[in-house]
Amino acid sequence: DGGITQSPKYLFRKEGQNVTLSCEQNLNHDAMYWYRQDPGQGLRLIYYSQIVNDFQKGDIAEGYSVSREKKESFPLTVTSAQKNPTAFYLCASSLGVASGGSADTQYFGPGTRLTVL
Amino acid sequence: KNEVEQSPQNLTAQEGEFITINCSYSVGISALHWLQQHPGGGIVSLFMLSSGKKKHGRLIATINIQEKHSSLHITASHPRDSAVYICAVWGGSQGNLIFGKGTKLSVKP
Repeated sequence: DGGITQSPKYLFRKEGQNVTLSCEQNLNHDAMYWYRQDPGQGLRLIYYSQIVNDFQKGDIAEGYSVSREKKESFPLTVTSAQKNPTAFYLCASSLGVASGGSADTQYFGPGTRLTVL
Repeated sequence: KNEVEQSPQNLTAQEGEFITINCSYSVGISALHWLQQHPGGGIVSLFMLSSGKKKHGRLIATINIQEKHSSLHITASHPRDSAVYICAVWGGSQGNLIFGKGTKLSVKP
């Protein structure tokens, strides 16, 4: 059963604590992405990775960090520097990152809803 | 101004009705996606298109590159179609997806 898994589905943390959100895929995709979704807003890109050991900042990377040590895994850490971390976080993957006019379908995980108290 | 605008924001329909959701964009793009987000939050990709029209079951997506406009149509709507439909385009400064805010569809039996 191929797909993307995110855990946990719901996460509660105290203000000032770092927290790491898990994202795993068994689709053999090279590219992985992290998005943030807030009520009334479109998804916004936090970080993306085209290949193992490489990642790039998206539009709202401040206060977040990522790693890509394995092709299957792209964990996101929400640090205490993120001013407003409460949100719904979605991970996605695709065969590759669009370039030169081509584009790949992105497959999304079920999301993690983070609430900072 | 948002680079991807969807209309309407909210839509309520009776079962069986024909539904149209619109998406206009202001950036140059290489492809446009239509996505479906169910109440639990998971997102499914419905279509990716760069020209013309695509059909899958009761869903039809069209795009007019010159007018920078796309539509998603649902024929014979059903309560299970109730979801948020999101338009996204490839074309950000980093070549990434830019998302609309979504259209919340509710189909009543």
